[in-house]
Amino acid sequence: DAKTTQPNSMESNEEEPVHLPCNHSTISGTDYIHWYRQLPSQGPEYVIHGLTSNVNNRMASLAIAEDRKSSTLILHRATLRDAAVYYCILQSNFGNEKLTFGTGTRLTIIP
Amino acid sequence: DSGVTQTPKHLITATGQRVTLRCSPRSGDLSVYWYQQSLDQGLQFLIQYYNGEERAKGNILERFSAQQFPDLHSELNLSSLELGDSALYFCASSPVYRITNTGELFFGEGSRLTVL
Repeated sequence: DAKTTQPNSMESNEEEPVHLPCNHSTISGTDYIHWYRQLPSQGPEYVIHGLTSNVNNRMASLAIAEDRKSSTLILHRATLRDAAVYYCILQSNFGNEKLTFGTGTRLTIIP
Repeated sequence: DSGVTQTPKHLITATGQRVTLRCSPRSGDLSVYWYQQSLDQGLQFLIQYYNGEERAKGNILERFSAQQFPDLHSELNLSSLELGDSALYFCASSPVYRITNTGELFFGEGSRLTVL
């Protein structure tokens, strides 16, 4: 599986936008970019995913670089509930079905 | 609430024992995945079943086994337990075999296993 690199931790102020970066320089043309998050004492939760184009949903936006070697998860207005570990995951369209979780970014929201 | 139910939520047992963890997927979901999360290893994929058949295998120990039943619930059996098996075990489900396009796995809240 292609690897991703994320900062170990980030802090952000409540009610401000948060940009969570992910580098995936070895991404292949068939790899989808998935983001999950894990709130304290809970199972991982799907956030968003995309292939080439930027994506928006009710939770977040995903900005994918033109060369696809990096992506950014954008939380438009962070709340205390967004404090979690955020995982950026690559999955090949032709690979097996597992999602391989890395160490993720621990996001702390400051009130 | 993801719709995925895992039991028990907590389990304490001794080394050498055997336990069974149960997972009920979301209604209609045919795929079930098992993950192990320990402090030093992070989230590790163990195994996937689709409609009763094993489809993908990860770093699952030979002491561990799983199955998916005709009603689509799944069980993860852990035997000859060791201290290092203490972890959170998550089950996830998906309606499809290949999640690449849909992107979404639905995770349960996990079963916390403590081996003393």
